[in-house]
Amino acid sequence: EIVMTQSPATLSVSPGERATLSCRASQSVSSNLAWYQQKPGQAPRLLIYGASTRATGIPARFSGSGSGTEFTLTISSLQSEDFAVYYCQQYNIWPRSFGQGTKLEIK
Amino acid sequence: EVQLLESGGGLVQPGGSLRLSCAASGFTFSSYAMSWVRQAPGKGLEWVSAISSNGASTYNADSVKGRFSISRDSSKNTLYLQMNSLRAEDTAVYYCAKVASSGYYPDYWGQGTLVTVST
Repeated sequence: EIVMTQSPATLSVSPGERATLSCRASQSVSSNLAWYQQKPGQAPRLLIYGASTRATGIPARFSGSGSGTEFTLTISSLQSEDFAVYYCQQYNIWPRSFGQGTKLEIK
Repeated sequence: EVQLLESGGGLVQPGGSLRLSCAASGFTFSSYAMSWVRQAPGKGLEWVSAISSNGASTYNADSVKGRFSISRDSSKNTLYLQMNSLRAEDTAVYYCAKVASSGYYPDYWGQGTLVTVST
């Protein structure tokens, strides 16, 4: 099983600043990585797939990069609605696995 | 607009059974794989089960293998999760999710249904 490790567990950033979230896979997942955003009481929402492709309707301030075992989600200028929990997920092999999440909070 | 509406959650005793349903609309249900993902209270996401577009292939996580069974009825645009021998650790919100055609990842999610296993 591939273990996905996200860091940091909690990230405190001020609105308007840049946020950088990391996700590491215990073995290569190629570019088969997705990012999700989840707000309290809501279902997750797909942000990024293929490590770097934004999903439909996702603002350009969200960008993904990386391949193999190291991945990054960057939010270029944080808006109030961006404060949430973010998960990465590999879909290279079974079982599919999620990271434990990074909580992005207002500084 | 893709819509996924789960139902069937509730309180069940350990060892009991429950069947979850997910009514899908807004896309050609028979053309897409589907999945169930769960989230225990205050915890992260766990992929539970998946089924191919024609129902011929299924996947179940080790944690539910032999106890949970995923199925689909394309005539009713409905996905199911039959859960047997339920345990306290199965307590979670269960999300139905449509799987993307470009890779086996969820691209649309329902709002979830809560399953509580407790005496």
